[in-house]
Amino acid sequence: GIQVEQSPPDLILQEGANSTLRCNFSDSVNNLQWFHQNPWGQLINLFYIPSGTKQNGRLSATTVATERYSLLYISSSQTTDSGVYFCAVSDHTGNQFYFGTGTSLTVIP
Amino acid sequence: KAGVTQTPRYLIKTRGQQVTLSCSPISGHRSVSWYQQTPGQGLQFLFEYFSETQRNKGNFPGRFSGRQFSNSRSEMNVSTLELGDSALYLCASSLPASANTGELFFGEGSRLTVL
Repeated sequence: GIQVEQSPPDLILQEGANSTLRCNFSDSVNNLQWFHQNPWGQLINLFYIPSGTKQNGRLSATTVATERYSLLYISSSQTTDSGVYFCAVSDHTGNQFYFGTGTSLTVIP
Repeated sequence: KAGVTQTPRYLIKTRGQQVTLSCSPISGHRSVSWYQQTPGQGLQFLFEYFSETQRNKGNFPGRFSGRQFSNSRSEMNVSTLELGDSALYLCASSLPASANTGELFFGEGSRLTVL
């Protein structure tokens, strides 16, 4: 299967700071998604971004499929941004997703 | 539009018992997949169904099984429960534009504790 590596594993930020989370994957992918896991365990969709760049408010993401990585940018972080961020990719069959181990973000007031 | 609904949300079982978890996808979604999340192994793929057919299965023992009904609702079953089966089980649905699964939308999960 596809190996997915996320970095950094842990990140502590002061409120208002910016951050970049990285996702590297080992093979070509059909789909790529970024999720935020809330305290109750639900995975909340952030971006569906197999390639290119998207922005949603303070969050943006870029995937460079040819170089096998994706970046998630969080600007002006807030305490509500705390939680675990996951990157997930699907292989050429498209019906199985492989998850990274996540980046645990803590935003301090 | 209602999201993905999983039931039950929490359950406690003892070793050797079996459990059935249910997942109702977003209306119109025909693909349903299941994932197991544990602190040690992270998020791992269990299986994926499309139009009542299992298209893919992860690396789990035969004690883990699933099915999908004609209305796209899905169930997964774990027989002869072991302590290591304690986990958050997440269901996701998608509206595939082709044979490939599209964007995944997850439910809130079923948290299983095995004593």
